Amino acid sequence: TQLLEQSPQFLSIQEGENLTVYCNSSSVFSSLQWYRQEPGEGPVLLVTVVTGGEVKKLKRLTFQFGDARKDSSLHITAAQPGDTGLYLCAGAPGANSKLTFGKGITLSVRP
Amino acid sequence: NAGVMQNPRHLVRRRGQEARLRCSPMKGHSHVYWYRQLPEEGLKFMVYLQKENIIDESGMPKERFSAEFPKEGPSILRIQQVVRGDSAAYFCASSRNRGLETQYFGPGTRLLVL
Repeated sequence: TQLLEQSPQFLSIQEGENLTVYCNSSSVFSSLQWYRQEPGEGPVLLVTVVTGGEVKKLKRLTFQFGDARKDSSLHITAAQPGDTGLYLCAGAPGANSKLTFGKGITLSVRP
Repeated sequence: NAGVMQNPRHLVRRRGQEARLRCSPMKGHSHVYWYRQLPEEGLKFMVYLQKENIIDESGMPKERFSAEFPKEGPSILRIQQVVRGDSAAYFCASSRNRGLETQYFGPGTRLLVL
């Protein structure tokens, strides 16, 4: 079973601060995805990374896939209250479409 | 282009009743995935279906749970004789193809078993 560990589990910060959260595994993934989920809604895809060492930017969000394709990080610059939500990472081991999800990181950004 | 649709959004059942959860994939998508999300846990894969075929049901409980994706109509996740432990949010996702294709999630069905 491939497990994805996300850390920290909970994070509460002030608006304007920067933060980095992590998604780690002992297994290699062909691709890794980050989702954001708001209460009462389904996960919304933020980014997919497929190449070891890849860095993708989405406005104030920067995603990095580890060189060994076992881990990923999400960095948010100048966090805003609208960034509040549950951030999930999910990995696909290969051509098999079954996604393995981490438990998520609950982020709260205070105004 | 409408997204993945799920209904009902909320479902309350008493122990022993049946629950039917429906999922209409995005237009042009023929691959459907069902996931379950329990409090304090991540999303857990249940089953992967393509039109009229179950491709991977390795995450489905052995009893009481079944899924189908008929040629016409939505995909159905059926839970017979529900128990309190079945209370969870059930999400459906769809994709155009398999492999590394992006999965788009619906808003989920919150099942509460009394």
